Amino acid sequence: GAGVSQTPSNKVTEKGKYVELRCDPISGHTALYWYRQSLGQGPEFLIYFQGTGAADDSGLPNDRFFAVRPEGSVSTLKIQRTERGDSAVYLCASSINSVLVSAGELFFGEGSRLTVL
Amino acid sequence: AQTVTQSQPEMSVQEAETVTLSCTYDTSESNYYLFWYKQPPSRQMILVIRQEAYKQQNATENRFSVNFQKAAKSFSLKISDSQLGDTAMYFCAFMFYSGNTPLVFGKGTRLSVIA
Repeated sequence: GAGVSQTPSNKVTEKGKYVELRCDPISGHTALYWYRQSLGQGPEFLIYFQGTGAADDSGLPNDRFFAVRPEGSVSTLKIQRTERGDSAVYLCASSINSVLVSAGELFFGEGSRLTVL
Repeated sequence: AQTVTQSQPEMSVQEAETVTLSCTYDTSESNYYLFWYKQPPSRQMILVIRQEAYKQQNATENRFSVNFQKAAKSFSLKISDSQLGDTAMYFCAFMFYSGNTPLVFGKGTRLSVIA
């Protein structure tokens, strides 16, 4: 696609449920990032993929959060046993592999707003 | 760890006027990028302007320019001839120059352009 696509746009779930959020990056972008943005805050880094592997998952808050990118393109962020504090907008971004080429620019999707009741 | 601080939670400006958004950061590194991203109500973050730390010249993109003071670790954004479409959240962000490392964002400044 022309841009980063995220689905669903909005997700309402109940506490304790399992949720999957999907990100389809720009074709050819090997780097993919997940961020979480709580109300009134800046985006907080969760995990970064380079190809199929997670190059940096230091931002995942706990073991209820997991992300995969099995074929190096689409990524899924998985949240188990959701809690009310997980409510936020989850942003996905992609970029060309090399920082020297991309000059650091990330291309963002419109995010998935998760509400845990 | 790198930190980015935006001390102005909200600002407003009259249409056609100039406004400056402040940002400071903290790092021990010498090679890095600094960015300003815009986030309108649609939620999609859009790159406004970028500055490489090794460049002394301030970046400019049309109505947007920065004042980069490396020694002071300051990176402010000036918007000239403000337009209603500039109304959005603005985030200052930092990234190391070498390797694909995550962007670190500030908490943002909500800018309202008033007709």
